Amino acid sequence: GAGVSQSPSNKVTEKGKDVELRCDPISGHTALYWYRQSLGQGLEFLIYFQGNSAPDKSGLPSDRFSAERTGGSVSTLTIQRTQQEDSAVYLCASSADRYNEQFFGPGTRLTVL
Amino acid sequence: DAKTTQPNSMESNEEEPVHLPCNHSTISGTDYIHWYRQLPSQGPEYVIHGLTSNVNNRMASLAIAEDRKSSTLILHRATLRDAAVYYCILSRPYSGGGADGLTFGKGTHLIIQP
Repeated sequence: GAGVSQSPSNKVTEKGKDVELRCDPISGHTALYWYRQSLGQGLEFLIYFQGNSAPDKSGLPSDRFSAERTGGSVSTLTIQRTQQEDSAVYLCASSADRYNEQFFGPGTRLTVL
Repeated sequence: DAKTTQPNSMESNEEEPVHLPCNHSTISGTDYIHWYRQLPSQGPEYVIHGLTSNVNNRMASLAIAEDRKSSTLILHRATLRDAAVYYCILSRPYSGGGADGLTFGKGTHLIIQP
């Protein structure tokens, strides 16, 4: 079956521009997570959606970062006024529920010039 | 959150068993031990998880110390495709509204020699 998909796979933008990253989770998965991975580093948790509950935004690094999940399915991570330190691979994962294993997408590589 | 400690890298030969250690001395009673791995240029993938008892699946085995302060991921017969970064992670099934995201450290970079 289809796994988690993310688009675009690569995004190059100029400092100060806004970007939107998309995640399509596995159908039926209620939990959705966003992480980012800077070069040579481990993954950093950003935000978590569970069903229709309010998202857990405790990992977002600044108010320039936001995310939404429409209809309990597709999610969009938005970064406003991008900075060079935002350059990283942004990974999305989904899970049948909060207790189960997470399935990761291939990531979006964001480069801010 | 309880943290884990893993060696930065390990090297093994193809077709030999690999034992990847993880220390988690501050683990709490409700923490599950998860292992994920990340192949080059891919997102992480789930390997195995356990609570107290040793666990086996088609990918690997997980041996958990009796005091739960350490665990070992065992790949019974390593192949070149097992070369990856292996992450040992603690996760609680319910964290009272806190982040349910997994906390990934830097993991162990496993190198497989042909």
